[in-house]
Amino acid sequence: EDQVTQSPEALRLQEGESSSLNCSYTVSGLRGLFWYRQDPGKGPEFLFTLYSAGEEKEKERLKATLTKKESFLHITAPKPEDSATYLCAVQTYKYIFGTGTRLKVLA
Amino acid sequence: GAVVSQHPSWVICKSGTSVKIECRSLDFQATTMFWYRQFPKQSLMLMATSNEGSKATYEQGVEKDKFLINHASLTLSTLTVTSAHPEDSSFYICSARAPGAWDQPQHFGDGTRLSIL
Repeated sequence: EDQVTQSPEALRLQEGESSSLNCSYTVSGLRGLFWYRQDPGKGPEFLFTLYSAGEEKEKERLKATLTKKESFLHITAPKPEDSATYLCAVQTYKYIFGTGTRLKVLA
Repeated sequence: GAVVSQHPSWVICKSGTSVKIECRSLDFQATTMFWYRQFPKQSLMLMATSNEGSKATYEQGVEKDKFLINHASLTLSTLTVTSAHPEDSSFYICSARAPGAWDQPQHFGDGTRLSIL
């Protein structure tokens, strides 16, 4: 059965303290992996798409990487405004969402 | 680009009422739209996939007679929760995917908070 798992479930960082979020997947026929940011009471905001192992994408303090089994979202020198839930989704014949990582960055 | 608008953002109604939620792609044409349900601190659960001009495809366990989906144009899909009851209270989110390769990202609306009294 296709499965997507995110870890940790929750993460608290001090401002400036870099870290990584993990998205592990077991699926047949990966067509793409997507990262989203979701603020409370809002819909997910698209961040990145990764299509093949070894691919990397960057946007401001965020960098996403992909291997054959997992993806990482690296956050460099985070700020309080980076606090949100980060979701990954895997595209096979349909979209499968992970359960998310709730990130809190303290000033 | 790729803006999806969802309306209303919040609705409270009495048990037994039917509620319609609209999802519009504002700056692109969406042949496929999706409807999700999200419970507090949980991820998104796909309810149905809506293709323009054809019947929606519902996920297992989702009652098609309870959740009516219409995708009459390339920019509008609607979800009607019929005879809503308190257990239907939830956060409903729509998304749209632009025409072309089906491995393109989905773009999401800001959700509708539905509370049934």
